[in-house]
Amino acid sequence: DAGVTQSPTHLIKTRGQQVTLRCSPKSGHDTVSWYQQALGQGPQFIFQYYEEEERQRGNFPDRFSGHQFPNYSSELNVNALLLGDSALYLCASSGLQGEIQETQYFGPGTRLLVL
Amino acid sequence: ELKVEQNPLFLSMQEGKNYTIYCNYSTTSDRLYWYRQDPGKSLESLFVLLSNGAVKQEGRLMASLDTKARLSTLHITAAVHDLSATYFCAVDRSGNEKLTFGTGTRLTIIP
Repeated sequence: DAGVTQSPTHLIKTRGQQVTLRCSPKSGHDTVSWYQQALGQGPQFIFQYYEEEERQRGNFPDRFSGHQFPNYSSELNVNALLLGDSALYLCASSGLQGEIQETQYFGPGTRLLVL
Repeated sequence: ELKVEQNPLFLSMQEGKNYTIYCNYSTTSDRLYWYRQDPGKSLESLFVLLSNGAVKQEGRLMASLDTKARLSTLHITAAVHDLSATYFCAVDRSGNEKLTFGTGTRLTIIP
């Protein structure tokens, strides 16, 4: 079991550009959540996808959007990049084990630097 | 709005000593998590606490939950250098896997 995987590992963009980050959940998981972790801070919830729909969203602008595919993998898109978008972006997956919601497993993250 | 506070933010302790990290949260919540993060790495799940009075232990780490006080503690026993990391608590308010994280406690174990 590969666990949660993310690509790319590192990315450098300039202000105003657009970026797409990718995530494959742990085998058997159907729910994907995205978090942004700025340097020296705790992760902040961006949004969550389940059954290809955005199920809930944190306090992030519409520049942040996402998608979930039928195989449960997910993308995070950020438009019109700002310097403040520089952060570690973490993907987490979860699912039901029987009737019990499993804990979230986090991927290795994508480190985005906006210049 | 749910707020999660940890203290201390920084902790430097000698090997062999005991210490406790505290996590306070502002509203009734469904479950509480503890995670470990090494520099430049992702989050490693340590404990999930589901009910009042829950206590879980793994090696030198023990976590507890008091839902009435809205307080969780992570106790470190006889610290060793390998425990140096940043520790986060995170609260799931409604059981829907939307986690609100604390500010983190950066723990440094000194030989």
